[in-house]
Amino acid sequence: GAVVSQHPSWVICKSGTSVKIECRSLDFQATTMFWYRQFPKQSLMLMATSNEGSKATYEQGVEKDKFLINHASLTLSTLTVTSAHPEDSSFYICSARDTTGYEQYFGPGTRLTVT
Amino acid sequence: GNSVTQMEGPVTLSEEAFLTINCTYTATGYPSLFWYVQYPGEGLQLLLKATKADDKGSNKGFEATYRKETTSFHLEKGSVQVSDSAVYFCALDYSKSGGGADGLTFGKGTHLIIQP
Repeated sequence: GAVVSQHPSWVICKSGTSVKIECRSLDFQATTMFWYRQFPKQSLMLMATSNEGSKATYEQGVEKDKFLINHASLTLSTLTVTSAHPEDSSFYICSARDTTGYEQYFGPGTRLTVT
Repeated sequence: GNSVTQMEGPVTLSEEAFLTINCTYTATGYPSLFWYVQYPGEGLQLLLKATKADDKGSNKGFEATYRKETTSFHLEKGSVQVSDSAVYFCALDYSKSGGGADGLTFGKGTHLIIQP
């Protein structure tokens, strides 16, 4: 089946630093990838949609200068949290849509803790 | 805007018990509806879906029927197993493609625990 990986699975960083999270589709090409954020006991909230080779589309209320998304290839999208603060601590989940455009596959998530 | 409400967990059942996890939604128009399951340490997996009113999605003994009149998509299984222990998410997709191919709106998730 289609597999999506995320790296790292968890990361701790200091306030003010930046951290990059990778999302890879391992056995299929993904023209579109999605980034979600999940707070404890809360829903997954869509942050942005990234399309290979073009700028990401951010949901209302998501700071695009803070959450930089790059989708440089059909198998890799990255989310960079810039100048991280403790309130950015969360669980970040990516998903990838295959080229048939019919279904999306989810990664296992990345736990970010900002101290 | 669109929203999904599902019952709070954890839900604890004995093996072979009947399962119902309630899910209701608010959306304009007619969204597609989904149930995803997340096993410990793994990503979300599509369990079943329904794209129009009265459709029944089914998979692995689970089923859910798209009820437009009650805006509901309750998940049921007749006899649960320990291996069904996981977190279950109800979600909707309100896009023109309707195939789960756009960003989804999720419920908060229901943690299901099945005891032997």
